[in-house]
Amino acid sequence: AQSVTQPDIHITVSEGASLELRCNYSYGATPYLFWYVQSPGQGLQLLLKYFSGDTLVQGIKGFEAEFKRSQSSFNLRKPSVHWSDAAEYFCAVVPFSGGYNKLIFGAGTRLAVHP
Amino acid sequence: DSGVTQTPKHLITATGQRVTLRCSPRSGDLSVYWYQQSLDQGLQFLIQYYNGEERAKGNILERFSAQQFPDLHSELNLSSLELGDSALYFCASSERTDNNSPLHFGNGTRLTVT
Repeated sequence: AQSVTQPDIHITVSEGASLELRCNYSYGATPYLFWYVQSPGQGLQLLLKYFSGDTLVQGIKGFEAEFKRSQSSFNLRKPSVHWSDAAEYFCAVVPFSGGYNKLIFGAGTRLAVHP
Repeated sequence: DSGVTQTPKHLITATGQRVTLRCSPRSGDLSVYWYQQSLDQGLQFLIQYYNGEERAKGNILERFSAQQFPDLHSELNLSSLELGDSALYFCASSERTDNNSPLHFGNGTRLTVT
């Protein structure tokens, strides 16, 4: 079955430290890949997406993600975390032939940032 | 601000009752999606409308129904509510149905069934 795994439920980092959030997917072919962020009381905001091409994708708020086909991973990174990055982060996939009605989300990783 | 408006923000009701959640999509967006976010099931797609027509169904219960009106706003109707229906319900919209068309999420309606 198609699935998205975010192995880390909670992560705590210090402000200014680097961050990597893990995402693995299980699909027959390379899907479309997304990272969304959800701040408290807010909807989901798209950070970045990968459809094809360069496997290192730049997003908003200083985030980037690297697609690794061999590992079926799409990990999110940020070199220096700010306190305002505290939120919940969701990895999501859509099959290559599908639309947003086939969007599958991971369980999310809640990020806490220590001052 | 995504441009997607959901009302109400919070809703508290009792088991067995019926509620209606409302969504106004971003200006120019024809496609509306409803998602449910619960602690045990995570984020799940419920149903999609495009320009007034139902386009796709996901894990939507028979007790739930939705529609999209000529002005493109959408309503999600939840009936015979159970405790397990307590969740955050998101509406999202996009201009088209393909993945190159960005998906914009509203801030959600938090439903609590007591």
